[in-house]
Amino acid sequence: DIQMTQSPSTLSASVGDGVTITCRASQSISSWLAWFQQKPGKAPNLLIYEASSLESGVPSRFSGSGSGTEFTLTISSLQPDDFATYYCQQYYDYPLTFGGGTKVEIK
Amino acid sequence: EVQLVESGGGLVQPGGSLRLSCAASGFTCSDHYMDWVRQAPGKGLEWVGRTRNKANSYTTEYAASVKGRFTISRDDSRNSLYLQMNSLKTEDTAVYYCTGGSHSNRWYIDYWGQGTLVTVSS
Repeated sequence: DIQMTQSPSTLSASVGDGVTITCRASQSISSWLAWFQQKPGKAPNLLIYEASSLESGVPSRFSGSGSGTEFTLTISSLQPDDFATYYCQQYYDYPLTFGGGTKVEIK
Repeated sequence: EVQLVESGGGLVQPGGSLRLSCAASGFTCSDHYMDWVRQAPGKGLEWVGRTRNKANSYTTEYAASVKGRFTISRDDSRNSLYLQMNSLKTEDTAVYYCTGGSHSNRWYIDYWGQGTLVTVSS
């Protein structure tokens, strides 16, 4: 199975800060990576697919990059609505696997 | 607007069975890959399994943790997806999400239902 490792597991930041979350795959997954945002008690919401394609309706302050084994999700200027948990997920091979999550907290 | 609505969750004893349903609207299930994803209380996301679309004969894939116990099926006439769960274990306790895929060179998880809670306990 392909292991997905996210860092950090928790991130404290202030409104207006730029933040970056890293996701590493245990083997190359080309660009077959998605990023999801999840708020407490809610279903996840797709932000990015194919490593860098922004899902329709997602604010442009979110961006994704990377290929192979190393990927990043960047939020250029944190907004109050962005405090949530973020997950990466590979869809290169079965079983599909998720990273452990990164909780973005208010500093 | 795509909507996926799960139902069928509840409390079941270890060794028991449960069938989850997912009703879709604004979305033709037979055209899309569909997955089930679960989340144990306070934990991260875990992929459960996938059914491919009609063009790919509705073939399925499962996580090792559920293979042989869980079965994904569809009913095109009802535009619905199902998850039959047998031989349930306490570690199957989770919120189960029905998801719908989109395609851009490869199928990825796009749409999510609100989830239904399954509790396996004696």
